[in-house]
Amino acid sequence: NAGVTQTPKFQVLKTGQSMTLQCAQDMNHEYMSWYRQDPGMGLRLIHYSVGAGITDQGEVPNGYNVSRSTTEDFPLRLLSAAPSQTSVYFCASSYRLAGGTPNTGELFFGEGSRLTVL
Amino acid sequence: GESVGLHLPTLSVQEGDNSIINCAYSNSASDYFIWYKQESGKGPQFIIDIRSNMDKRQGQRVTVLLNKTVKHLSLQIAATQPGDSAVYFCAENISGGYQKVTFGIGTKLQVIP
Repeated sequence: NAGVTQTPKFQVLKTGQSMTLQCAQDMNHEYMSWYRQDPGMGLRLIHYSVGAGITDQGEVPNGYNVSRSTTEDFPLRLLSAAPSQTSVYFCASSYRLAGGTPNTGELFFGEGSRLTVL
Repeated sequence: GESVGLHLPTLSVQEGDNSIINCAYSNSASDYFIWYKQESGKGPQFIIDIRSNMDKRQGQRVTVLLNKTVKHLSLQIAATQPGDSAVYFCAENISGGYQKVTFGIGTKLQVIP
């Protein structure tokens, strides 16, 4: 049972470099999102998607791009890495309840990707 | 809401005792309030949720209490075990048809054997 898979688990970048964090889920979930976790800050939402072809900004979107071409994949792109982007990144997915029922907020998280920008 | 700081609030509890982790939330419009557990080196894991029209919900060894008057949420863990040692996050979801979940800064629970 794979669930939510993130790659790579660890990455070191130099300032100005670009890279993509990969996220894939095999649960056919409509919702996917990216969070970053910093000491004492909890998890902050970067971008999210409510379905293939639809993305939107979260709380801290600057410096990051996303796309959602398939239900399964939701990559996060850092266009020009900065030391302030040193963090642990988590991808999460969730289902949508049928019939207009409010969604509970149950998210399924990957194991995280630890990024260091020098 | 919770203040931001460099150090997590920490709760130390003797094994076998009950634990109570508290959380203040800020948004009265949230539909659901959720508790997550994060073990070291892992992603957060859903524990239990409570809808905004309820004030108490019980699960296996856990109880969540919601006080909307003072915007307070708590997680009670009965008979705390070493495996309960983790960081616990409260979160809120303003549903509106999509999962946009906002997290607090977390509380570290240390279980003393």
